[in-house]
Amino acid sequence: AQSVTQLDSHVSVSEGTPVLLRCNYSSSYSPSLFWYVQHPNKGLQLLLKYTSAATLVKGINGFEAEFKKSETSFHLTKPSAHMSDAAEYFCVVSDTRNFNKFYFGSGTKLNVKP
Amino acid sequence: SAVISQKPSRDICQRGTSLTIQCQVDSQVTMMFWYRQQPGQSLTLIATANQGSEATYESGFVIDKFPISRPNLTFSTLTVSNMSPEDSSIYLCSVEDRASKETQYFGPGTRLLVL
Repeated sequence: AQSVTQLDSHVSVSEGTPVLLRCNYSSSYSPSLFWYVQHPNKGLQLLLKYTSAATLVKGINGFEAEFKKSETSFHLTKPSAHMSDAAEYFCVVSDTRNFNKFYFGSGTKLNVKP
Repeated sequence: SAVISQKPSRDICQRGTSLTIQCQVDSQVTMMFWYRQQPGQSLTLIATANQGSEATYESGFVIDKFPISRPNLTFSTLTVSNMSPEDSSIYLCSVEDRASKETQYFGPGTRLLVL
């Protein structure tokens, strides 16, 4: 079975400081992993994805994530937070053997303080 | 990526009634998905809609409550039947990326409030 665990429901950082949003996954086989962002009253936007290529994945808006099989982790990072990064972030695992169904983590709300 | 629209964007409904949500995509796709996001919660997959076949429902969701149509490769509907306040949620459709099948793009969602 596929599942993801987002370890922090809320993260608060100051503008200009690094961001770390943690995600651990469980998968019976090599997974496809994604990070999506949801701004208030907006739809979901794809930030980045890992699909068995390079383990360090770069996404939009300066975000990146590293796939670590030994740790079953796919943490999202950004060197310097911006006020516009305040949103909810979802880690997602895709069941590539079952219609690529998505299983969402519980989400992490990122607050950026001025 | 695909451009996805949903109608209505929001609605307020009375309990016991039904609402049909439409999802339109600007290109032909094989797989479409419907999700529910309850207030303050994450997204849960309701069903997978493959054109030309019956939708496949996830555990806890049944066709009588959430009938789905998929008449062609660019359109799908989800009906929320016999609504109760517990059905108040955001309902989102998504489509698989044509080039990268494991990636999904999401519509803007339909905000439903049931009184």
